Amino acid sequence: EIVMTQSPATLSVSPGERATLSCRASQSVSNNLAWHQLKPGQAPRLLIYGATTRATGVPGRFSGSGFGTEFTLTISSLQSEDFAVYYCQQYNDWPPVTFGQGTRLEIK
Amino acid sequence: QVQLQESGPGLVKPSETLSLTCTVSGSSISTTTNHFWGWIRQPPGKGLEWIGTIYSAGTTYSNPSLKSRVTISVDTSKNLFSLNLTSVTAADTAIYYCARTSGGWLSPIDYWGQGTLVTVSS
Repeated sequence: EIVMTQSPATLSVSPGERATLSCRASQSVSNNLAWHQLKPGQAPRLLIYGATTRATGVPGRFSGSGFGTEFTLTISSLQSEDFAVYYCQQYNDWPPVTFGQGTRLEIK
Repeated sequence: QVQLQESGPGLVKPSETLSLTCTVSGSSISTTTNHFWGWIRQPPGKGLEWIGTIYSAGTTYSNPSLKSRVTISVDTSKNLFSLNLTSVTAADTAIYYCARTSGGWLSPIDYWGQGTLVTVSS
């Protein structure tokens, strides 16, 4: 099973600033890495797939990078609606599908 | 627009079976499509845990930690899929999400349901 580790667990950032979230895989997942956004009471949303490709309708302030075992989600100029919990998901080697433990992005 | 909606009891007694359905609109659950339909859960204060996935052709895959208790099935006539989790305990209390993966084996989850909270308690 591929273990996904996210850091930090909580990130406090002011609106308008940049946020950088990290995800590490216990073994290579190539570029088969996605980022999802979760907000209470809402359906989770796919943001990034293929490590770097934005999903349909995702604003350009969201960007993904990385390959192999190290990945980053960057949100430039944070908006109020961006404060949420973010999970990385590997789909290179499944079952099982595995997720990181999440990063909570909160308002500073 | 693809939409998924979970439904089922919000309260289940210990040792009983948790049963949920996911009704899909805007996408066909059909044996001819290259879609995977799955269940993920999130216990209170914890992260996401994959429960299992069914391929449109009917093949299922389950988390080894739950495998013997999980059944996932598809009803193509109603365009929905279902989860049964037997012998539940308090540890099975969670928000349960249904989700779609589209585009083949090496594809991410692309649509999620809103989630439904299931509490296991007597």
